[in-house]
Amino acid sequence: EDQVTQSPEALRLQEGESSSLNCSYTVSGLRGLFWYRQDPGKGPEFLFTLYSAGEEKEKERLKATLTKKESFLHITAPKPEDSATYLCAVQATDDYKLSFGAGTTVTVRA
Amino acid sequence: EAQVTQNPRYLITVTGKKLTVTCSQNMNHEYMSWYRQDPGLGLRQIYYSMNVEVTDKGDVPEGYKVSRKEKRNFPLILESPSPNQTSLYFCATISSMGEVNEQFFGPGTRLTVL
Repeated sequence: EDQVTQSPEALRLQEGESSSLNCSYTVSGLRGLFWYRQDPGKGPEFLFTLYSAGEEKEKERLKATLTKKESFLHITAPKPEDSATYLCAVQATDDYKLSFGAGTTVTVRA
Repeated sequence: EAQVTQNPRYLITVTGKKLTVTCSQNMNHEYMSWYRQDPGLGLRQIYYSMNVEVTDKGDVPEGYKVSRKEKRNFPLILESPSPNQTSLYFCATISSMGEVNEQFFGPGTRLTVL
């Protein structure tokens, strides 16, 4: 069974204080690893898809990286508007089902 | 504008009263899915559909039904709702099964079963 574990559960940052979120996964064969941002009461918003180890993608202050066992979401010089819950999900090659982690809630203080 | 719409957005009902939550997309996506989100448990997949008339169970299908008669619609049916189905529900689509790209989630339906 596919498993996705995110850490930490919560992260409190000062504005400008860079940090990283971790997503560890176990999957029979990886079709794709996804990162989402979710604001309270809203649907997840797609950020990135990573397909193979060594791949990196960037969007504004966010950078996602992938190894064979984990992915990191790096937040560089965060601003208060980066406060949200960040979700990680994997999809296996033999199954189109998405398995999500529980998320990391990031709070950025001005 | 690319959209996934869900209705209703909020629903309070009683145990045993059948209900349907609709999901519609305007992007001609083949893959559609339903999730429930509960505190501490994250998003769990209920059912998914890879195309018209093709559906399959996710992680938590018990107590739910789905149908996919048209590409754009994927309703979630609770034949006899129970209080443990109180949750926040999301419908989602994926553009392609060949290479998975951007995915779209609906705004959510908050269901309370008394």
